[in-house]
Amino acid sequence: GQNIDQPTEMTATEGAIVQINCTYQTSGFNGLFWYQQHAGEAPTFLSYNVLDGLEEKGRFSSFLSRSKGYSYLLLKELQMKDSASYLCAVIDSNYQLIWGAGTKLIIKP
Amino acid sequence: DVKVTQSSRYLVKRTGEKVFLECVQDMDHENMFWYRQDPGLGLRLIYFSYDVKMKEKGDIPEGYSVSREKKERFSLILESASTNQTSMYLCASSLLSGGESQPQHFGDGTRLSIL
Repeated sequence: GQNIDQPTEMTATEGAIVQINCTYQTSGFNGLFWYQQHAGEAPTFLSYNVLDGLEEKGRFSSFLSRSKGYSYLLLKELQMKDSASYLCAVIDSNYQLIWGAGTKLIIKP
Repeated sequence: DVKVTQSSRYLVKRTGEKVFLECVQDMDHENMFWYRQDPGLGLRLIYFSYDVKMKEKGDIPEGYSVSREKKERFSLILESASTNQTSMYLCASSLLSGGESQPQHFGDGTRLSIL
């Protein structure tokens, strides 16, 4: 079967750095998305990786290793507004999007 | 800016009722999707559509149907609502992939309660 694993919850301190991991086992791979979802709101697109390596976008970076079936989202200089759930989603060989259950990130002052 | 609009943020219906959830996008996207989101389960795909009058079953289509009469509108129908359909329903749209996968853009969601 197809599976995406993320930690259920993480806690970090304002101003610090946090890394949210995502591992996947899917039938084929055509890219990986990260989304941010604040409580009670819609998911919003953060990043897309299809090749190995690091993609940087301001305070957020996303890394992919296709051989390891692994990605992470790195958040720097954490702010209180970064408290949200972070969803990892993989596009399989049929171009279907497989979603992880999400990681709830709690930022403490 | 991208805009996906769902007709209701909160909705309360009774068991056995026929329920309509409406979704409209203004980005001329070909693809539209309906998901439900439950705690600890992530997003689960109910139905999707790649074109007008076209529909495909997702992972959990039982108890649901959809309609896409116009490109910008995708409706989800609960034929006879049951309590286990109480959930957050999210609509999304995306461009047709032209080799590189396109991100999905989501509406604000409808929190549906079936009593």
